[in-house]
Amino acid sequence: AQSVTQPDIHITVSEGASLELRCNYSYGATPYLFWYVQSPGQGLQLLLKYFSGDTLVQGIKGFEAEFKRSQSSFNLRKPSVHWSDAAEYFCAVGSSGGSYIPTFGRGTSLIVHP
Amino acid sequence: NAGVTQTPKFQVLKTGQSMTLQCAQDMNHNSMYWYRQDPGMGLRLIYYSASEGTTDKGEVPNGYNVSRLNKREFSLRLESAAPSQTSVYFCAMAAGPHHEQYFGPGTRLTVT
Repeated sequence: AQSVTQPDIHITVSEGASLELRCNYSYGATPYLFWYVQSPGQGLQLLLKYFSGDTLVQGIKGFEAEFKRSQSSFNLRKPSVHWSDAAEYFCAVGSSGGSYIPTFGRGTSLIVHP
Repeated sequence: NAGVTQTPKFQVLKTGQSMTLQCAQDMNHNSMYWYRQDPGMGLRLIYYSASEGTTDKGEVPNGYNVSRLNKREFSLRLESAAPSQTSVYFCAMAAGPHHEQYFGPGTRLTVT
């Protein structure tokens, strides 16, 4: 069975500092991996995805993530955080065949200090 | 949240009352989902529908029913609401070759 672990419930950074949110997954084959962001009172929005090829993927809002098969990780990064990045971030893993059922991590809440 | 609409945005029910949460997508995709979101629990799948006329249980289906009468709409029904069903409910659809999900804005439900 596939699973996703986001080890950090909360992360606090200062505006302008760099950010890394951790995500570890368990999946038998090459997974589809996603990061979503949820602003307060909103639905989830896709930030970026990995499905094959280049292991460093770029997303919206200046975010990037790196797929590391050997570590079963897909960490999200941003070089300089803005106050508007304060939100909940979810990592998800999915499969390519059959009935598509993704698995979401429990989320990491990002707090940005001015 | 373009492409997926949900109604209502907020709802308060008394224990035992029933209601239907509505979801519609305008992107002609097959797969649709209902999730609930609770603090510290992430997203948990209630039901999903791989295509029009088909539905399957997810992780937490008890107390809910769904209906996928056409490709566009996927509704979630609570027959007899319980306080444990107080949550935020999200509808989503899967699109593209990699099945990325597009979410509606959510329905915040309180059962007293």
